Amino acid sequence: DQQVKQNSPSLSVQEGRISILNCDYTNSMFDYFLWYKKYPAEGPTFLISISSIKDKNEDGRFTVFLNKSAKHLSLHIVPSQPGDSAVYFCAAINPAGGTSYGKLTFGQGTILTVHP
Amino acid sequence: KAGVTQTPRYLIKTRGQQVTLSCSPISGHRSVSWYQQTPGQGLQFLFEYFSETQRNKGNFPGRFSGRQFSNSRSEMNVSTLELGDSALYLCASSLWARYTEAFFGQGTRLTVV
Repeated sequence: DQQVKQNSPSLSVQEGRISILNCDYTNSMFDYFLWYKKYPAEGPTFLISISSIKDKNEDGRFTVFLNKSAKHLSLHIVPSQPGDSAVYFCAAINPAGGTSYGKLTFGQGTILTVHP
Repeated sequence: KAGVTQTPRYLIKTRGQQVTLSCSPISGHRSVSWYQQTPGQGLQFLFEYFSETQRNKGNFPGRFSGRQFSNSRSEMNVSTLELGDSALYLCASSLWARYTEAFFGQGTRLTVV
């Protein structure tokens, strides 16, 4: 049961352009969402998060948008740089009850390639 | 401020053996979670510890276990290793484990032969 889905396995963009990474979720109990960036053989690095009470959060070149009614979130990277090339994971937290502690539910990831 | 430290970085074990992996969280973080990453299943939650107590457990067999010490350091153990246990094992620490970001270590790459 894939509760968090990243339907695009890969995305290729030109340096300087916008990268848009998408994520859909099915569990309406999720109320906090995070994006992580990961290089091979390394742990994920936290990028940006958003609470369900907001619809947008910005941090430098990274902006996350949340559409609760559509159960959809997206990460915008502007402008994209070659160093942004990595796997991007979205993750969600369900706070309901004791089964939520410490558990991030991850999507399958999207490989972003930024060409110089 | 030191990050999350996982040891060892790489490990090769034989089927049937057992293995113990270690994780030292960021100073002041009391929650430690463990994840398994494989190409087919992605990042899967194993369990979470807070103040030496396991508060949450994922859908893994009982061969996977863990513990947390009073200094918040955590270990996970896998007994009777199977080929399918080959994966990158990641540890994450956070302050309160619900609305705070989890910071990951570099992982331990376990290969079972």
